[in-house]
Amino acid sequence: GESVGLHLPTLSVQEGDNSIINCAYSNSASDYFIWYKQESGKGPQFIIDIRSNMDKRQGQRVTVLLNKTVKHLSLQIAATQPGDSAVYFCAENRISSASKIIFGSGTRLSIRP
Amino acid sequence: IAGITQAPTSQILAAGRRMTLRCTQDMRHNAMYWYRQDLGLGLRLIHYSNTAGTTGKGEVPDGYSVSRANTDDFPLTLASAVPSQTSVYFCASSEGGGSTDTQYFGPGTRLTVL
Repeated sequence: GESVGLHLPTLSVQEGDNSIINCAYSNSASDYFIWYKQESGKGPQFIIDIRSNMDKRQGQRVTVLLNKTVKHLSLQIAATQPGDSAVYFCAENRISSASKIIFGSGTRLSIRP
Repeated sequence: IAGITQAPTSQILAAGRRMTLRCTQDMRHNAMYWYRQDLGLGLRLIHYSNTAGTTGKGEVPDGYSVSRANTDDFPLTLASAVPSQTSVYFCASSEGGGSTDTQYFGPGTRLTVL
């Protein structure tokens, strides 16, 4: 079946270190992936996306890596800051279809001072 | 610019009662969405609207209805609430209904059905 899930439900990182949040997907037809950040008490916020014709995409302090061979993507956050504390969701979709985004269950990132 | 507003912020509701969650966006986006978020699960799509006057069913539409009379508003109605509808509800919008259109989310409504 189709699923988008995360390897770890929680991640604790020292402030200043890099964070890596992982996500697995099972639908090989998915060709568009998105990362969202959700702070406590707020709605999800778009961070970065990547299409399947790319392996890597960089934003401001964030990098998304896509490995289509093993159906895995990751979100890397450089120099993690207290403001990065949130739940991070990966989501997937198929560009050529009328389907809607499917969200994973999320990873909670906590920052140690 | 407010973006997306939702009302109420939270609500406790008796089972069997009717409830409408309100959602308004001021970005003139064509597409709007309703999701529910339960502990341990990601967001699940309830209903969506690609443009004013049209609606579609998402992953978990049973027990919910929507309408899209104009571009800005997309209310979600629970005709007869049940405890399993206890959840946090998020409204979102995107410029278009395409699969790569970025969705912008409201702050959510926390609903408890007793």
